[in-house]
This record gives sequence, structure tokens and C-alpha cells, in this order.
Amino acid sequence: DFVMTQSPDSLAVSLGERATINCKSSQSLLSSSNNKNYLAWYQQKPGQSPKLLIYWASTRASAVPDRFSGSGSATDFTLTISTLQAEDVAVYYCQQYYSSPPTFGPGTKVDFK
Amino acid sequence: QVQLQESGPRLVKPSQTLSLTCTVSGGSISGNSNHWSWARQPAGKGLEWIGRISGSGTADYNPSLESRVIISIDTSKNQFSLKMSSVTAADTALYFCAKELAGPLGWFDPWGQGTLVTVSS
Repeated sequence: DFVMTQSPDSLAVSLGERATINCKSSQSLLSSSNNKNYLAWYQQKPGQSPKLLIYWASTRASAVPDRFSGSGSATDFTLTISTLQAEDVAVYYCQQYYSSPPTFGPGTKVDFK
Repeated sequence: QVQLQESGPRLVKPSQTLSLTCTVSGGSISGNSNHWSWARQPAGKGLEWIGRISGSGTADYNPSLESRVIISIDTSKNQFSLKMSSVTAADTALYFCAKELAGPLGWFDPWGQGTLVTVSS
């Protein structure tokens, strides 16, 4: 299986400041056939199901605010929240879909400082 | 838009079979291009993919659970189901169903709200 790791485990950010979450894959998620990275990001608020934020490593899902952005390639990826809002407090997960079974990172908890 | 809702017993005894159903509304479940998955999340922990089924009935599973899991589909009811046999306390978790986009291996959107299943005597 592809093993996904995330760092940090948690971070505290002031309102309006930037939050950066890292995700690393044990193997490359970059396809040579279409030059796409097979990585998605999700947000999970307490008591809720995960919500898709990003797919293909950098494509925002429908209705996702543009303060959320994804970057990176191959084995190293980043989710950035440019200006943290109150409603962004959540756990964020990365997920690879390059190889079955699809696997998730352990999550990064984002909270207020 | 498509919505998913899990249902089924919340309490299962050890060694018995966990059975859950996901009802899809707002769109058809059938067709080769549609893929539907189950995932789970133990309390305070991360997400684990259990398996998927296509709208035409082709299923595949996480090798770590494959010996105990069956996923089936009922297109007449717009539902798909999960059966997990020989459950133990380690199977206690929040179980989600989700649509898998760009499948059969892709990202998950949307998700059901989840249903907590507890394995206990």
C-alpha cells in the first residue's frame, strides 16, 4: 500500500494568518501518462463527514473558497489556507488515488492560536 | 445534487455480521461510470477505505479486509450495501458511504453523514 504521512500533527494559527499542511507519499503519485498527481485533500469538521477540497493535487472542488490551495508533485504536497477563518477549524486529510487501495494520511488538526 | 445516507444496526455482537445500506438520492446509482465506496473511521483516528462497487456490480476490496467484506448493489432501490463478517471490537467505527469520482480509483465526493457502529456483547 502507498503510505501517506502528514505534518504537523496539529497546528494553531491566528485568525487571518496562513496555515500550511504537508503531505508525503511513500511512492510517487505523478503519472507519466497524463502528468497529473493523484492526490486529494479533505476537510473534516467535528461531528461531520469529510468534505472534498482539492483533487489532482491543485484543482479546487466546486464551491471551495479560493483561500484553499494545493501544490506539490510526486511525493511531496502542501495544502495552504491563505487567511484562516473561524470556519476552517477542522482536521485535514490527504488521500492518494494512484494505486489501490486508496489510502489517507493520518490527518492534521488546525485550530486557533 | 447526489446525496448519500447510511442506515443499519448501530450495535453488533462480536463474531456476528455487520450490515449497512447506503441510499443514494438525486442521481442514479447504476452504470459502469459510477463507483460507490465504503470507508470507516475509528473514534479519534484516521480514515480507512473498505471497498467499492460499480454501478454495474463490479466490486473490489481493501486487501486488509477482503476476506470478511462483501459489497453489493440494488439498482432498483438505488442502494448499495456492506456486509462485514466475524466482527470484533476493532471494527467499532464511524462508517461512511461515498461516491468515488474519476473512478474506479479516484477521490470521494460526496460522503454520507456516517453511522456509528459499535461491536459489543
